[in-house]
Amino acid sequence: SQTIHQWPATLVQPVGSPLSLECTVEGTSNPNLYWYRQAAGRGLQLLFYSVGIGQISSEVPQNLSASRPQDRQFILSSKKLLLSDSGFYLCAWSPPGQGGLDTQYFGPGTRLTVL
Amino acid sequence: QKEVEQDPGPLSVPEGAIVSLNCTYSNSAFQYFMWYRQYSRKGPELLMYTYSSGNKEDGRFTAQVDKSSKYISLFIRDSQPSDSATYLCAMSGGPNAGGTSYGKLTFGQGTILTVHP
Repeated sequence: SQTIHQWPATLVQPVGSPLSLECTVEGTSNPNLYWYRQAAGRGLQLLFYSVGIGQISSEVPQNLSASRPQDRQFILSSKKLLLSDSGFYLCAWSPPGQGGLDTQYFGPGTRLTVL
Repeated sequence: QKEVEQDPGPLSVPEGAIVSLNCTYSNSAFQYFMWYRQYSRKGPELLMYTYSSGNKEDGRFTAQVDKSSKYISLFIRDSQPSDSATYLCAMSGGPNAGGTSYGKLTFGQGTILTVHP
């Protein structure tokens, strides 16, 4: 069976500091991978998605970036955090191919607070 | 206007009640409809998945899709305190919508449900 991991679970960072959140998926090959942000009381905002190693598409322009150095590893980064970057960050995966009809499976999330 | 509208609630019901959660949408290309359940401070988990119009039942949960009205529902029978969570609807257009090579879901805002004993 497939499992998805995210770490850290909780993070408190000062404004202007760098960020690195990691997501890994087990039990599948060549998954589609996604990064979402969920602000308090709001829905899920898609930030980045990837259909393969080194292939990253951005949905929302911002000071965040994503990378996929390995097939089942997805990293969310920032060089300088803003207060507005606070939120609940979720990584998700879906089976390869089947574009548009994939159900997505979410990780446990990282709660980021920027002070 | 948002592509997907969902009443955020909160919704509070007594244990054993029938719960009805709903979403409306504007994009007629949506064909795949999902419901996710999200417990506090956890990631969403897939609850129900349906394709096109019709009903799908899984235990105490029934998902209903009415594409003519652009309206989807999730019914929970005999609700339990353990059903207390945020319920998110999500939908996708399938491979013929936009020609994308990945699955892009559009989410509702989520409805907060509390089932009290």
